[in-house]
Amino acid sequence: DIVMTQSPDSLAVSLGERATINCKSSQSVLYGSNNKNSLAWYQQKPGQPPKLLIYWASTRESGVPDRFSGSGSGTDFTLTISSLQADDVAVYYCQQFYATPRTFGQGTKLEIK
Amino acid sequence: QVRLQESGPGLVKPSQTLSLICTVSGGSIRTDGYYWSWIRQPAGKGLEWIGRIQANGNTIYNPSLTSRVTISADTSKNQFSLTLTSVTAADTAVYYCATFHYDGTAFYPEDYWGQGTLVTVSS
Repeated sequence: DIVMTQSPDSLAVSLGERATINCKSSQSVLYGSNNKNSLAWYQQKPGQPPKLLIYWASTRESGVPDRFSGSGSGTDFTLTISSLQADDVAVYYCQQFYATPRTFGQGTKLEIK
Repeated sequence: QVRLQESGPGLVKPSQTLSLICTVSGGSIRTDGYYWSWIRQPAGKGLEWIGRIQANGNTIYNPSLTSRVTISADTSKNQFSLTLTSVTAADTAVYYCATFHYDGTAFYPEDYWGQGTLVTVSS
């Protein structure tokens, strides 16, 4: 299985400041057929299912605010929230969809400082 | 827009079989290129991908669960189901059904999810 490791486990950021979450995969998730990284980011709020934010490492899902951005390639990826809003408090997960079984990072809990 | 809704018993006894159904609306599970997943999440913990099925019945399971899990589809009811045998307390979790697609070149991540259903394994 591809192991996904996120850092940090938790993060406290002031409103309006930048939040950065990292995700590392145990092997490359670069998909040869389209030369894109099979890496997604999800946001999960209490009592709700995960919500897809970003796929192909950097493509925002429709309706996701542009303060959310993804970057990285190969094995190292980053989710950045450019200006933290109160509504962004959640747990964030990365997922590789390069191989089965699909695997997720352990999650990063984002809070307001 | 596709909607998914999980249903099934909320309490299962140890060593028995967990059975859940996911009812799909707003789309057909027979749609080419669409795949139907089960994912679970123990309370306060991370997400574990259980497996997926296509409408033609083709399945892939997580090797960690493959000896105990079966995913099947009922196209006449636009539903797919999860069966997990010989459950223990470690199988207590919120179980989600979800869907993803293949565009002919590449697979996509799960983009539509059900609200989830809590299954507790306890005597």
